[in-house]
Amino acid sequence: GAGVSQSPSNKVTEKGKDVELRCDPISGHTALYWYRQSLGQGLEFLIYFQGNSAPDKSGLPSDRFSAERTGGSVSTLTIQRTQQEDSAVYLCASSLGGRGEQYFGPGTRLTVT
Amino acid sequence: AQRVTQPEKLLSVFKGAPVELKCNYSYSGSPELFWYVQYSRQRLQLLLRHISRESIKGFTADLNKGETSFHLKKPFAQEEDSAMYYCALTGGGYQKVTFGIGTKLQVIP
Repeated sequence: GAGVSQSPSNKVTEKGKDVELRCDPISGHTALYWYRQSLGQGLEFLIYFQGNSAPDKSGLPSDRFSAERTGGSVSTLTIQRTQQEDSAVYLCASSLGGRGEQYFGPGTRLTVT
Repeated sequence: AQRVTQPEKLLSVFKGAPVELKCNYSYSGSPELFWYVQYSRQRLQLLLRHISRESIKGFTADLNKGETSFHLKKPFAQEEDSAMYYCALTGGGYQKVTFGIGTKLQVIP
């Protein structure tokens, strides 16, 4: 079956522009997670969704970052007024019930010039 | 607060040598610990979890609550084991998962 998909795979944007990153989780997975992977920083937790609600937004780096999930499925991570330090690979993962194995997408590589 | 520490960013071993990737954690409750692996040009994927108590690709990991460790071990390294390895922790339920910074394992032929 289809795994977690993310789009776009690569995004180059100019500083100050807004970007939207999309995640399609595995069908039926109720939990969805966003991470940021930077060189030498490992995986930085950003936010997770249980259904459409986000009980924990503590990882969002600033108010320029927001995320939503609709219909318990697709999620969008939006970064407003991008900065060069936002350059990273943004990973999405989903899991069946919020416990246990997370299935990761291929990531979106964001480059802010 | 939950924290995962992987002290080595890079671990190089010769093929056939034993491997131990270290992971220490900080968590006040009962954690669930995982090891994830990312091979070159592939997605991050689960390698093993402590509650399964199984061996995957020859790797094992034992949760030591006294030492708050969850080290990943393999008796004989193979070239195909070269990858990034991440230790991760969750408190269970619908909670965030905290990852370590990862250790790059390089198996030298």
